[in-house]
Amino acid sequence: SQTIHQWPATLVQPVGSPLSLECTVEGTSNPNLYWYRQAAGRGLQLLFYSVGIGQISSEVPQNLSASRPQDRQFILSSKKLLLSDSGFYLCAWSRGAGRGETQYFGPGTRLLVL
Amino acid sequence: EDKVVQSPLSLVVHEGDTVTLNCSYEVTNFRSLLWYKQEKKAPTFLFMLTSSGIEKKSGRLSSILDKKELFSILNITATQTGDSAVYLCAVRDTPLVFGKGTRLSVIA
Repeated sequence: SQTIHQWPATLVQPVGSPLSLECTVEGTSNPNLYWYRQAAGRGLQLLFYSVGIGQISSEVPQNLSASRPQDRQFILSSKKLLLSDSGFYLCAWSRGAGRGETQYFGPGTRLLVL
Repeated sequence: EDKVVQSPLSLVVHEGDTVTLNCSYEVTNFRSLLWYKQEKKAPTFLFMLTSSGIEKKSGRLSSILDKKELFSILNITATQTGDSAVYLCAVRDTPLVFGKGTRLSVIA
């Protein structure tokens, strides 16, 4: 069966510090991978998605970036965090196009920037 | 611009009540509509709907899609306190477009 992991679960970082959140998927190959942010009182906002290694699509302009160095690894990064980067970050996966559309979410990382 | 609107934003009911959550959408290339339940952490998948008029059912939860009127409803009968959560509607264009959710609180 497939599982999705996110690390860390909670993170408190000072403004201006770098960020690296990791997401890994097990039990499937060539998944589509997604990063979402959920800010307090707001819906899920898609940040990035990837259909393959090294292929990243950015949905909103921001100071975050994403990378997919391996088939089942998706990393969300920032060089300098802003206060507005605080939120709940969710990674999700789905099977490739034509093989199913349901997205399955990881446990999330709660980020607080102070 | 694609959008998904859920209503109500928040709802408080007593155990045993039946609730109906609404989701209306406007997307360019509709492929499917999904419902998720989010408790404290990650959303968990409930239903995926692709065809109008066909009810999907899981226990006390059911959902139906109207592609002509561009909306879906999620029904929960005989609500329990464990149903308290945020219910998210998402529409598959490419990729998913999420609504802001309906926060359901079920009180004993």
